[in-house]
Amino acid sequence: AQTVTQSQPEMSVQEAETVTLSCTYDTSESDYYLFWYKQPPSRQMILVIRQEAYKQQNATENRFSVNFQKAAKSFSLKISDSQLGDAAMYFCAGARSSQGNLIFGKGTKLSVKP
Amino acid sequence: SQTIHQWPATLVQPVGSPLSLECTVEGTSNPNLYWYRQAAGRGLQLLFYSVGIGQISSEVPQNLSASRPQDRQFILSSKKLLLSDSGFYLCAWSRGQPNEKLFFGSGTQLSVL
Repeated sequence: AQTVTQSQPEMSVQEAETVTLSCTYDTSESDYYLFWYKQPPSRQMILVIRQEAYKQQNATENRFSVNFQKAAKSFSLKISDSQLGDAAMYFCAGARSSQGNLIFGKGTKLSVKP
Repeated sequence: SQTIHQWPATLVQPVGSPLSLECTVEGTSNPNLYWYRQAAGRGLQLLFYSVGIGQISSEVPQNLSASRPQDRQFILSSKKLLLSDSGFYLCAWSRGQPNEKLFFGSGTQLSVL
């Protein structure tokens, strides 16, 4: 079985500051993929970043980066220079490569204060 | 470019009525297709996925069903809706396995009264 846990129901950050959203992914598989998806008020789900578990290098997409600690099963998302448009629900998700259905966490609601 | 269309955007249905939500993908062939449900305050729950025409896998037993009559068409149905079926339904597609990027539709907000 695989589980995705997001322990922060809500987070808040000041505009231009940095915030880190937490996620843990528990699986017995050695090969898997991890994702962060963003759901703004429009409710359109958008991929933020993707990490392959076999890669040691943490993924980065502009202001978004991950801290993947495989042994600790931790997959956190760091948002630098936060912008008002970053306000959204953020979902962590994982997929095994052998049977690849994506499992989502319950989400973290991020507010950005001007 | 690839696009995904999902409709209707909102739907209010009485308990016991039937349901049909449709999703179509353009600009790609043989996509993997998915139906997710997002209940209020909760994450996304995978309901069905399909890797080809007529091939449907169910993740959660319920009174919903899915069909894929054409390569790029995915339909979510119910013969009799329950109150617990209320939620936000999202269709999605991927090129291969979901370890590739998922592309989501704009969703359908279903309220069963």
